[in-house]
Amino acid sequence: NAGVTQTPKFQVLKTGQSMTLQCAQDMNHNSMYWYRQDPGMGLRLIYYSASEGTTDKGEVPNGYNVSRLNKREFSLRLESAAPSQTSVYFCASTGYFRGHTEAFFGQGTRLTVV
Amino acid sequence: SQQGEEDPQALSIQEGENATMNCSYKTSINNLQWYRQNSGRGLVHLILIRSNEREKHSGRLRVTLDTSKKSSSLLITASRAADTASYFCATALNYGGSQGNLIFGKGTKLSVKP
Repeated sequence: NAGVTQTPKFQVLKTGQSMTLQCAQDMNHNSMYWYRQDPGMGLRLIYYSASEGTTDKGEVPNGYNVSRLNKREFSLRLESAAPSQTSVYFCASTGYFRGHTEAFFGQGTRLTVV
Repeated sequence: SQQGEEDPQALSIQEGENATMNCSYKTSINNLQWYRQNSGRGLVHLILIRSNEREKHSGRLRVTLDTSKKSSSLLITASRAADTASYFCATALNYGGSQGNLIFGKGTKLSVKP
């Protein structure tokens, strides 16, 4: 099993450009998440999807949109990138594993907006 | 605001010493989990303690939970340079509607010097 796969690993954008971060999981998990991680800020939840067809805002949703394309895939879109969106982005999924909910993370996308 | 807060934010020790990290949380939980993040990588699940447990061991890891104080600690004994990483606590909230949601703290950055 590949687990959670994110693409791309690195990206540089100019202010105002758009892009989509892709995430796929092969563990048949219902819930998927997008986080951003900034120095000293820990993980902040951008959006999550509790199940296929549903999405909800997290702590810092402004400037982002998401699509839960199917059970496997959950994409994050930046319509008009800003320097404040320079960050490392992590996709995660959670599933019921050994009697409890456990999170599995992708390797991250390092995004720089210049 | 963050559900889980780790303390200290950063910890530097010598190889062979023990490392203790603490986590405080605010609301009733179903379980508390600790994750590890190597530099530039995604988070990886380490250990879970349920709300009705007080202590749990896994190899060199020891986790305690005090629900009356809403706090947990992670002890790494006989630390190694390879333990250098950031450690996050995550709480699974105690209501069915959020079965899939884990709330992460800001993390403790551990540096183990050889």
